[in-house]
Amino acid sequence: AQSVTQPDIHITVSEGASLELRCNYSYGATPYLFWYVQSPGQGLQLLLKYFSGDTLVQGIKGFEAEFKRSQSSFNLRKPSVHWSDAAEYFCAVALISDTGRRALTFGSGTRLQVQP
Amino acid sequence: EAQVTQNPRYLITVTGKKLTVTCSQNMNHEYMSWYRQDPGLGLRQIYYSMNVEVTDKGDVPEGYKVSRKEKRNFPLILESPSPNQTSLYFCASGRDGSYEQYFGPGTRLTVT
Repeated sequence: AQSVTQPDIHITVSEGASLELRCNYSYGATPYLFWYVQSPGQGLQLLLKYFSGDTLVQGIKGFEAEFKRSQSSFNLRKPSVHWSDAAEYFCAVALISDTGRRALTFGSGTRLQVQP
Repeated sequence: EAQVTQNPRYLITVTGKKLTVTCSQNMNHEYMSWYRQDPGLGLRQIYYSMNVEVTDKGDVPEGYKVSRKEKRNFPLILESPSPNQTSLYFCASGRDGSYEQYFGPGTRLTVT
C-alpha cells in the first residue's frame, strides 16, 4: 500500500531563512505528487504538483520541490521564508486504482512556525 | 469564482442526532470526494463519487453515507453520529482524468 511520510512534525525557522520540508513516499508505480498548504482555519491550497518531466517543479508563493526517484523523496523548498508562510504543509501522493478510484494519500503534515 | 463550498463550517451536535454536511462545486467536475482530517493522521478518504449515482467507499467509510443525485452536490450524511466522528471534514472535486483535487474550506464537527 502506498504511504507518505513527513518526518518533521514541527519546524521553526527565522524570517528570511531558507526552508526545506521533507517528504518520502512509498508507491509501486510512477507517483503523482503534491504539496498542499493549510493556513489556520483555512482549507487546503495546492502549492505545486509533479506528474512527470522536469524533476524540479515551481509552485506558487515562491515554493519549489524536487522529485528524487532514487530517494523516493519530494522535498519542498523556499529560499527565503516570510512570516505569512506559517502554516501546516502536507505532502500527498495520488492513488489511481483499476476501478477508477482516485484518492490522495496524505502525510501527517509539518507545522511551520516563523520567528521574526 | 471556481470553488468548492461546504455548509455548515462549524457544527456541534449530540450523539445519535442525524446530520448532513453539504458540499457543492461549480466547476462541473465529475469526481467528488470526502476526507476527514485528524491530528497526526493527515487526511483520510471517506467516500468518493466518479459521477452522478456512482459512489464508493474510501478508506474510512464506517458511520457515513453519501449520495450523488446531481453533478454539483455531494452531501455527507451521519445517520447516528458518535464522538469518534469529531473531526475536520473536507470535500474535494476534480475533473475526470485529472489527478488534481480542489478542496473546500472544511467543516469542523464536534459530537458530544
